[in-house]
Amino acid sequence: QVQLVESGGGVVPPGRSLRLSCATSGFTFRNYGMHWVRQAPGKGLEWVAVIWYDGSNKYYADSVKGRFTISRDNSKNTLYLQMNSLRAEDTAVYFCARDMDAVTTSTLDYWGQGTLVTVSS
Amino acid sequence: QSALTQPASVSGSPGQSITISCTGTSSDVGGYNYVSWYQQHPGKAPKLMIYEVSNRPSGVSNRFSGSKSGNTASLTISGLQAEDEADYYCSSYTSSNTLVFGGGTKLTVL
Repeated sequence: QVQLVESGGGVVPPGRSLRLSCATSGFTFRNYGMHWVRQAPGKGLEWVAVIWYDGSNKYYADSVKGRFTISRDNSKNTLYLQMNSLRAEDTAVYFCARDMDAVTTSTLDYWGQGTLVTVSS
Repeated sequence: QSALTQPASVSGSPGQSITISCTGTSSDVGGYNYVSWYQQHPGKAPKLMIYEVSNRPSGVSNRFSGSKSGNTASLTISGLQAEDEADYYCSSYTSSNTLVFGGGTKLTVL
């Protein structure tokens, strides 16, 4: 069965960096686009970034552009999110999710359980 | 990248039908048939309920249906059940190759 397991969350001071990982299994990782989506406490879903199946294209929300970098290692079936210059407003549960397609940013058919990132001094 | 517009809350009695709207622009909802709907129970990950406007993934009840007219998409839940009480989010592909979510709608089953 498809599984996505996020890790790497925690408490970090403003301005510091953190890298999230999403380990996947149960499907051919290299055939699918992958996303990061976040949810601030008590708030709605906010899309963060997408990476195509082969890593050739990446797109970001304006709120994280220039600070966050999405990447993947198809040999390890793992998705990453490098988060730099963190701000208090980046505090959220971060979900990784699989796109139903290899290249389109459209349908997120499987989600992980999320990892909490808290930006606070 | 403005969020799609959804009502903050809707409610209905068991057995009734409700509809949640999701309004965007011609650069997202109106321009593509890549509208999805997600259900999220408290403390849980979102679950895909409808994709590409009106398609149901395997395992999702046929009480859930989707449609679109112009820049507005809609999710209808018929025969409301207690377990349908949750938050619902729409999303759409955009002309910037990004994804945008709606603000979410809290469904209360009375």
